[in-house]
Amino acid sequence: AQSVSQHNHHVILSEAASLELGCNYSYGGTVNLFWYVQYPGQHLQLLLKYFSGDPLVKGIKGFEAEFIKSKFSFNLRKPSVQWSDTAEYFCAVINTGFQKLVFGTGTRLLVSP
Amino acid sequence: EAGVTQSPTHLIKTRGQQATLRCSPISGHTSVYWYQQALGLGLQFLLWYDEGEERNRGNFPPRFSGRQFPNYSSELNVNALELEDSALYLCASSFDRVKYGYTFGSGTRLTVV
Repeated sequence: AQSVSQHNHHVILSEAASLELGCNYSYGGTVNLFWYVQYPGQHLQLLLKYFSGDPLVKGIKGFEAEFIKSKFSFNLRKPSVQWSDTAEYFCAVINTGFQKLVFGTGTRLLVSP
Repeated sequence: EAGVTQSPTHLIKTRGQQATLRCSPISGHTSVYWYQQALGLGLQFLLWYDEGEERNRGNFPPRFSGRQFPNYSSELNVNALELEDSALYLCASSFDRVKYGYTFGSGTRLTVV
């Protein structure tokens, strides 16, 4: 079965620190990949997605992610986090054979001012 | 464009009762997905409806059921509520899930006492 792993369940950073959240998936075929963010008390929002082309994808609020096919990874990065980035981040994967998006278990990020 | 709307925002029920949660997708979206977000468990897939039909269900007991109406809105019913059903229930809709992923609603917080 397809699965998505987010190894960092909780991450605590100070403002201005760099962020990298890991995401690995288990599927050998062609996939599309997504990162969603859930700010406290808000709904899940799409942060960025990879569909095809340049494996380095830029999203909203200065986030980016790199698709490395050989490593089955789609790690999320931000050079300098802000307090307002405190949220839960979910990685998700889908391909045309999937009937639904498969989500990771999420990573809670706390940025201290 | 109106987003995915869910009602009610909060719902408190006692054990053994039934709960009904509602979801209206974005106009033009024909697929509706239901997820359960329980503390520490990430997003657990519940049900997928498309064009009025149930297409897939997750690993949940039969007391979790739902339907999709001709206008593509959807209802999730949970019978014989148990304490562990307390969670945030998220509805999402999509037009082309492979290309664009999902758009989520703000959820219904169900508390079973």
